[in-house]
Amino acid sequence: QVQLQESGPGLVKPSETLSLTCTVSGYSISGGYFWGWIRQPPGKGLEWIGSIYHSGDTYYNPSLKSRVTISVDTSKNQFSLKLSSVTAADTAVFYCARGGNTNWFDPWGQGTLVTVSS
Amino acid sequence: DIVMTQSPDSLAVSLGERATINCKSSQSVLYSSNNKNYLAWYQQKAGQPPKLLIYWASTRESGVPDRFSGSGSGTDFTLTINSLQAEDVAVYYCQQYVSTPDTFGQGTKLEIK
Repeated sequence: QVQLQESGPGLVKPSETLSLTCTVSGYSISGGYFWGWIRQPPGKGLEWIGSIYHSGDTYYNPSLKSRVTISVDTSKNQFSLKLSSVTAADTAVFYCARGGNTNWFDPWGQGTLVTVSS
Repeated sequence: DIVMTQSPDSLAVSLGERATINCKSSQSVLYSSNNKNYLAWYQQKAGQPPKLLIYWASTRESGVPDRFSGSGSGTDFTLTINSLQAEDVAVYYCQQYVSTPDTFGQGTKLEIK
């Protein structure tokens, strides 16, 4: 079955760039879906960050668009997130999931907590 | 952006009883070209990622117990959990995917009374 796994540093300093990678197994990332990033601050709700297609087409949340870059590496069956100029408000569990662009999100990775602190 | 508003924020229901969670969108999520409501429901248990329960507002995901059902159209939707089980304790979210940005409701926390 399709599985997703997030990886990356759990601690990022303020003003730096957060970088995460999602590795997909059990399904080719080129198989026709969008792939997305969603975040959840501790104790709060879900916020869609953006989604990417294997061709590189991307859709970003306008609230984060100036700071977000999502890229895809089909040879590694991975897609990645970069969020620049982070502050404490960006502390959250970051999830990757299949979906976006008029499609629901399923399945989801287990999530990774990223804390922004000096 | 389409704002999704859930009610109530939390509720407590006795085992074996029915739980009802509402979700209202600020704009219709019904796409006229295919007459589908672009609305999903998720269940998130403590320490776990969200799990898809329902898509197209009323289509149950494979493997989801049939005590979970979704209904509604346009801007008003309902998730109903019949015969509540202890394992249904979770936070439930609705999500619209008809237009970018995809947006989620604030969540409804379901507990056992």
